[in-house]
Amino acid sequence: NAGVTQTPKFRVLKTGQSMTLLCAQDMNHEYMYWYRQDPGMGLRLIHYSVGEGTTAKGEVPDGYNVSRLKKQNFLLGLESAAPSQTSVYFCASSYSPGQGPTYEQYFGPGTRLTVT
Amino acid sequence: AQKVTQAQTEISVVEKEDVTLDCVYETRDTTYYLFWYKQPPSGELVFLIRRNSFDEQNEISGRYSWNFQKSTSSFNFTITASQVVDSAVYFCALSEGEGANNLFFGTGTRLTVIP
Repeated sequence: NAGVTQTPKFRVLKTGQSMTLLCAQDMNHEYMYWYRQDPGMGLRLIHYSVGEGTTAKGEVPDGYNVSRLKKQNFLLGLESAAPSQTSVYFCASSYSPGQGPTYEQYFGPGTRLTVT
Repeated sequence: AQKVTQAQTEISVVEKEDVTLDCVYETRDTTYYLFWYKQPPSGELVFLIRRNSFDEQNEISGRYSWNFQKSTSSFNFTITASQVVDSAVYFCALSEGEGANNLFFGTGTRLTVIP
């Protein structure tokens, strides 16, 4: 049982390049989330998904797109990276209400992205 | 407006001292959930506790205890007899309504336990 995994762990991009971050969970969670963590600002929600095929915007969605084609995977895309997107990105997953006993969010190990 | 405020940016204590990390939240919902997460130097986020708005009982788990007071909108976290392994950044978070769709995090408190 791997929990929540993220690929890659580190990445350096040049301004304007694109990339996709992959999140996978093996806990059969309905809900999945992408956060970014910046120094002194805590974690902020980028996008989330309440089920396969559905996505919704969070607090800071601009410049990102997401897809949830399979229940266990949640992809975060940067179409044209900017230095302001330099951050640590965390994926999380949780049960939905009624699906499981509790629905705290379980986090992946993070992806450190630098945009130069 | 910040929904979760952790006014203590950094705290240093000597090993075996007790330490309390403060968390003040703001919400208009009657149903909400409060969480504490630990982020050790390795970077992962570790879930510590979840408390719903209808349960004001304090909780103790080993050296950890939590004091939830709706009257002051606070959910403080105390570590008793601190250890070096407790050194980490601690985040308080809030989700509003059912579903925990969106966790609002505080900015974190960095705790350093000096041996």
